[in-house]
Amino acid sequence: SQTIHQWPATLVQPVGSPLSLECTVEGTSNPNLYWYRQAAGRGLQLLFYSVGIGQISSEVPQNLSASRPQDRQFILSSKKLLLSDSGFYLCAWSPRGRTGGSPLHFGNGTRLTVT
Amino acid sequence: QKEVEQNSGPLSVPEGAIASLNCTYSDRGSQSFFWYRQYSGKSPELIMFIYSNGDKEDGRFTAQLNKASQYVSLLIRDSQPSDSATYLCAVPVYNQGGKLIFGQGTELSVKP
Repeated sequence: SQTIHQWPATLVQPVGSPLSLECTVEGTSNPNLYWYRQAAGRGLQLLFYSVGIGQISSEVPQNLSASRPQDRQFILSSKKLLLSDSGFYLCAWSPRGRTGGSPLHFGNGTRLTVT
Repeated sequence: QKEVEQNSGPLSVPEGAIASLNCTYSDRGSQSFFWYRQYSGKSPELIMFIYSNGDKEDGRFTAQLNKASQYVSLLIRDSQPSDSATYLCAVPVYNQGGKLIFGQGTELSVKP
């Protein structure tokens, strides 16, 4: 069966510090990968998605970047965190090859607090 | 921009009652719809999906889809306190890497 791992679970970082969140998927090949953010009491905002190694689509201009160095690895980064980067970051995957109609499966999330 | 709308709630129902959660979407071409449950502090969990007009039942959950009216609903029968969570409706955006657009979610509270 497929599993998705995301770490760390919680993170407290000062303003201006760098960020690296990692996500890996097991049990499947060529997944579509996603990073979502959920601010407190808000809905899910798609940040990035990837349909293959090195292929990243950005949904909103922001202080963050994403990379996909391996097929089942997705990394979210920032060079300098802002207070507004605080939130609940969720990595997700879906099967490749379907342009729509597949559910996303989420990792356990990383709760980031920028102080 | 494709949109998915949900009442934010909170929706409060007594234990054993039917909870009805609604979602409307803007894209008439949408073909599939997903319901996620999110407990406080946790990640969303897929509980139902529906592709065709009509009803789909899975245990205590029933998803209802009306494409002509562009709404999808989730009914929870015999609601339990453990059903208290935020319920998210999601619609895929086709040909864009399979991404989902989520509604804001409806908070459900089931009172014992």
